[in-house]
Amino acid sequence: AQSVTQLDSQVPVFEEAPVELRCNYSSSVSVYLFWYVQYPNQGLQLLLKYLSGSTLVKGINGFEAEFNKSQTSFHLRKPSVHISDTAEYFCAVIASNTGNQFYFGTGTSLTVIP
Amino acid sequence: DSGVTQTPKHLITATGQRVTLRCSPRSGDLSVYWYQQSLDQGLQFLIQYYNGEERAKGNILERFSAQQFPDLHSELNLSSLELGDSALYFCASSVEAGGHNEQFFGPGTRLTVL
Repeated sequence: AQSVTQLDSQVPVFEEAPVELRCNYSSSVSVYLFWYVQYPNQGLQLLLKYLSGSTLVKGINGFEAEFNKSQTSFHLRKPSVHISDTAEYFCAVIASNTGNQFYFGTGTSLTVIP
Repeated sequence: DSGVTQTPKHLITATGQRVTLRCSPRSGDLSVYWYQQSLDQGLQFLIQYYNGEERAKGNILERFSAQQFPDLHSELNLSSLELGDSALYFCASSVEAGGHNEQFFGPGTRLTVL
């Protein structure tokens, strides 16, 4: 089975500052990795995903993430955050060849301070 | 709007009761997933259906069951409800069953068991 650890439960950051949300995963097989965002009182929305190829993945809203196989990490970054980025962020992993079950991290609450 | 609809939005019931949550996937999506989101357990995968057949099972209790109908909508049945079943239940859908497919999440059904 796979598992995901999101190292920070809460991240406050000032508007226009850069941010990094950390995600580490554990798996004995190859995986696909995802970042989802959940705005208050809404469902989850895909930010970006890594399936294969380039380890730097660009997503919506200016977010990007880098897959690091040796460190089993998939950290999410944004160079300059906006108030509207305030939300809950979830990292998820699924086995690439046999997987049907997503394993989600516990989430990171990003608060952008004006 | 993801195109996935869930009804009802809110549900309040008593312990020992049974409820049914309904999900309509995006047009053209064959796969439906159910998730439970609670403060103590986080976001957990319950079960997946693909074109009417059960495809994968996660942490779904025996008191819970689901099905996907010929028109592809899905229902999650929760019985003998306990206080700990209070949570947000999400449905998601994807075009196909493989892990690389983006899952589109509905707005969720908030279940409160009193």
